[in-house]
Amino acid sequence: GAGVSQSPSNKVTEKGKDVELRCDPISGHTALYWYRQSLGQGLEFLIYFQGNSAPDKSGLPSDRFSAERTGGSVSTLTIQRTQQEDSAVYLCASSLGVVAPQETQYFGPGTRLLVL
Amino acid sequence: SQELEQSPQSLIVQEGKNLTINCTSSKTLYGLYWYKQKYGEGLIFLMMLQKGGEEKSHEKITAKLDEKKQQSSLHITASQPSHAGMYLCGADIVQQTRTGGFKTIFGAGTRLFVKA
Repeated sequence: GAGVSQSPSNKVTEKGKDVELRCDPISGHTALYWYRQSLGQGLEFLIYFQGNSAPDKSGLPSDRFSAERTGGSVSTLTIQRTQQEDSAVYLCASSLGVVAPQETQYFGPGTRLLVL
Repeated sequence: SQELEQSPQSLIVQEGKNLTINCTSSKTLYGLYWYKQKYGEGLIFLMMLQKGGEEKSHEKITAKLDEKKQQSSLHITASQPSHAGMYLCGADIVQQTRTGGFKTIFGAGTRLFVKA
């Protein structure tokens, strides 16, 4: 069956530009998570959506980062005025949402962002 | 097939027994990461290995990166029910593109069950 998909798989952008990263969760999963992994570091939690509830934005590193989830399915992570330190792999995960976030999360392949 | 093979996919052990989880690649691994997702909790970072032959421990969990830096093993001594969960390995590998650079990849995870 289809897993979590993300697009684009790779993105190269210039410093100061805005970028949008997309995540399609597994069908039927109501919980969706965004993480970031910078080279040489562990996974960093960014934001978590659960159904129609207000998202948990506690992990967003600055106000340049925002995320939306339309119709309870597809999510878009937007980074405004990108900086070189934003270069990382951005991972999306989804889970059933029955006891989220305390349940198994299924990860997408990631979007590799390089800010020049 | 995945670039980072993790085995076994699932494992059931009796409490008190030792176990090993492997993470293997045909490519050189730069920065090997181990994560754990406990049942009832979110994803947590365990440890990172970078040098060939490097070994690190976290409580009763020991991870090693082989000399060739193509395989890592995670070993749990005297397993406890608290060790149950999903173990995920991730690694940085060189991208096979004209521009080179690194990319981060993940294994499929190993689900560990510990019988009391």
